[in-house]
Amino acid sequence: GENVEQHPSTLSVQEGDSAVIKCTYSDSASNYFPWYKQELGKGPQLIIDIRSNVGEKKDQRIAVTLNKTAKHFSLHITETQPEDSAVYFCAASIVAAGNKLTFGGGTRVLVKP
Amino acid sequence: NAGVTQTPKFRVLKTGQSMTLLCAQDMNHEYMYWYRQDPGMGLRLIHYSVGEGTTAKGEVPDGYNVSRLKKQNFLLGLESAAPSQTSVYFCASSYSWLTAKGNSNQPQHFGDGTRLSIL
Repeated sequence: GENVEQHPSTLSVQEGDSAVIKCTYSDSASNYFPWYKQELGKGPQLIIDIRSNVGEKKDQRIAVTLNKTAKHFSLHITETQPEDSAVYFCAASIVAAGNKLTFGGGTRVLVKP
Repeated sequence: NAGVTQTPKFRVLKTGQSMTLLCAQDMNHEYMYWYRQDPGMGLRLIHYSVGEGTTAKGEVPDGYNVSRLKKQNFLLGLESAAPSQTSVYFCASSYSWLTAKGNSNQPQHFGDGTRLSIL
């Protein structure tokens, strides 16, 4: 089955700096890659996703890149703010397999003011 | 819209007791999922359903049963709770990939979880 590895497990950045989280996946058939943000006591919330027919997607301060050949994808957060502090999860999925997601282990991001 | 609602939010059980976790969604989603979240392990899929009356096993199904009698509800049951089932349980739902233009996977929407402790 699919295996998703996520690094780093914790990340501390100064407010205003950039944060980068990297994930690798094992199944070359995976073609949908969402990123979720989880705040304390809440469920994961989708922040951005990318499909395998594009290499990069941007939404304001958040961007995701995908390298299908190397089977890795990354989340980039620019101009970090204290409210970006949370746990971030990457995931991978194969279309038509019941939309099932395989998650990475998560990255705890702390933005220091 | 309430989105995905999970009840209860917290529960403490003794080993061997049974209970049912309820998930309800009001987005008319075809697919529903149950995950468990343990420290450092991300979310792992327990069971899922692609439509009313259908269920399928995920990555970690042992010790759990599910039912989807109505499209909007997905129940997760623990018949004989064990300490290893202490976890935070999340329900999610999504549209079918068939309903989207281009037949692509659709985002999953999550509830806020049920924190379950088994003593």
